[in-house]
Amino acid sequence: DGGITQSPKYLFRKEGQNVTLSCEQNLNHDAMYWYRQDPGQGLRLIYYSQIVNDFQKGDIAEGYSVSREKKESFPLTVTSAQKNPTAFYLCASSARSTASRRAYEQYFGPGTRLTVT
Amino acid sequence: KQEVTQIPAALSVPEGENLVLNCSFTDSAIYNLQWFRQDPGKGLTSLLLIQSSQREQTSGRLNASLDKSSGRSTLYIAASQPGDSATYLCAVFSGNTGKLIFGQGTTLQVKP
Repeated sequence: DGGITQSPKYLFRKEGQNVTLSCEQNLNHDAMYWYRQDPGQGLRLIYYSQIVNDFQKGDIAEGYSVSREKKESFPLTVTSAQKNPTAFYLCASSARSTASRRAYEQYFGPGTRLTVT
Repeated sequence: KQEVTQIPAALSVPEGENLVLNCSFTDSAIYNLQWFRQDPGKGLTSLLLIQSSQREQTSGRLNASLDKSSGRSTLYIAASQPGDSATYLCAVFSGNTGKLIFGQGTTLQVKP
């Protein structure tokens, strides 16, 4: 089955520790995205990557870092510099080719809930 | 800057009603618009994708329309069921920025 997997589902960390969230897709999509969801604030874009070895900052990139060494993987590191890291993190991917009628349709993973105390 | 607004923020209806969820956006230069469903604590499920050149899309009991010139989209749910209870999110994709911009969502409760 094609899809996006995120692990772990729940993650608990102490303040001051870096933590890496995993996102893997087997949809052969070029583009991948990381969003943060907080109650009452909707989804906000953290980082996105349209091609391997390239990524761009989204609207709230401070305190986060990413890498895109493989097409199918886009891990997100929440660093100790992120002031309010507790949130629900969602990964997504999409095809880029405009030849497809489904171009840029985003598919989401199940999410990782991060709690930092 | 693109802004997406969804009205109402919450909606409660009895089972069987037809209902309409509204989405408006400020910049009509969009590539596509997506409607998503989110259940509590879960990821987003794509319901319908409307390309900028299309006026509507249908899937089962769901019908989404798009009017780019007025910056509006509606999601019509026919014969609502308790299983339709969820948060519905509208999002527009701008080819220029490569970003999907989300509304705050409409939380729907369908009572048996």
